[in-house]
Amino acid sequence: NAGVTQTPKFRILKIGQSMTLQCTQDMNHNYMYWYRQDPGMGLKLIYYSVGAGITDKGEVPNGYNVSRSTTEDFPLRLELAAPSQTSVYFCASSTQVRQPQHFGDGTRLSIL
Amino acid sequence: TQLLEQSPQFLSIQEGENLTVYCNSSSVFSSLQWYRQEPGEGPVLLVTVVTGGEVKKLKRLTFQFGDARKDSSLHITAAQPGDTGLYLCAGERGDYKLSFGAGTTVTVRA
Repeated sequence: NAGVTQTPKFRILKIGQSMTLQCTQDMNHNYMYWYRQDPGMGLKLIYYSVGAGITDKGEVPNGYNVSRSTTEDFPLRLELAAPSQTSVYFCASSTQVRQPQHFGDGTRLSIL
Repeated sequence: TQLLEQSPQFLSIQEGENLTVYCNSSSVFSSLQWYRQEPGEGPVLLVTVVTGGEVKKLKRLTFQFGDARKDSSLHITAAQPGDTGLYLCAGERGDYKLSFGAGTTVTVRA
């Protein structure tokens, strides 16, 4: 059972470049989330989705976009990469709000 | 500012000792979850508490949710090196989102 799969695991970008972080889950979960984790700051919610076709902003959405065309996939797009977006990005999914969130292993992104 | 404040930020103890991690807020939560994260991996859920005053035990780990549902604690008895990791609390306030604390890094020395 793969669970939540994130690709790539590592990436280095130049300032101003764009990229898409991929997230796929095979558990048929309706809820999906994107977080960023910075040292000493815990996880901050970027965007979330309660089902295919529905997305909403989290705590720190500026500079990011998402889409949810299928239940399985929830890609995160960075349009103009900035050094402040250097972080570890985690995708998660859950069946319902109070159910456990299942996390991927993260994408480590550096912007230079 | 963090909605959930965790303390201490770092904790280093000898194998066999006990430890407690605290998670405090001025907000009321519908539920609170505790996760453990190891380097290079995503967080993994340890427990969810939903009722004020609730106490849950998971082997040597004891979790408590405050009566007012604003705070929680994690107590580890006779810590082992395998307990080493980043412990995160996360609260849910009735919407679709979790708010995470900054985490407590626990190191258990053999």
